[in-house]
Amino acid sequence: NAGVTQTPKFRVLKTGQSMTLLCAQDMNHEYMYWYRQDPGMGLRLIHYSVGEGTTAKGEVPDGYNVSRLKKQNFLLGLESAAPSQTSVYFCASSYAPLLAGSSYNEQFFGPGTRLTVL
Amino acid sequence: RKEVEQDPGPFNVPEGATVAFNCTYSNSASQSFFWYRQDCRKEPKLLMSVYSSGNEDGRFTAQLNRASQYISLLIRDSKLSDSATYLCVVINYGQNFVFGPGTRLSVLP
Repeated sequence: NAGVTQTPKFRVLKTGQSMTLLCAQDMNHEYMYWYRQDPGMGLRLIHYSVGEGTTAKGEVPDGYNVSRLKKQNFLLGLESAAPSQTSVYFCASSYAPLLAGSSYNEQFFGPGTRLTVL
Repeated sequence: RKEVEQDPGPFNVPEGATVAFNCTYSNSASQSFFWYRQDCRKEPKLLMSVYSSGNEDGRFTAQLNRASQYISLLIRDSKLSDSATYLCVVINYGQNFVFGPGTRLSVLP
């Protein structure tokens, strides 16, 4: 049981390049999330998905696209990277929040991807 | 105003000390509350949920005051291994998790 995995762990891009971050979970969670974490800003939600084939915008969606073609995978794409997208990106998954029982409310995070855009 | 606010710290305390963290949230419709712990250069992990009646897990005590929209975390008998950033998290009506910016704790020998 690997939990939530992310690839790659590190990446350096030049301005204007594109890339895709892959997140995979083996816990059969319906909900998946992409966050970015910057110093002093905390975790900010980029996009999320409430199930296979669905995606929705979070707090800071501009410059990113996502896809959830399979329940266990959630992809984050940067079409034209900018230096402002230098950050640590975390993927997370959970059961649907607010279901009865606190065990359904936990988010499980991947180890993160450190992205630098030059 | 940010939806979830925390004192950024850092809190530098000696081993064995008691330390308390505070968190305020602005959305009165927030429904569930948590403390997560994040070690340096690692992912966040759930520390404990926060219940209306208050709850305790070993050396950790969490309390919620819905009227004041305030959450607290108390750590007793601090250990070196408690050094981390503590994130206050709420689930709002839209069922998204909203994270505070975190409070950094350093426990000194």
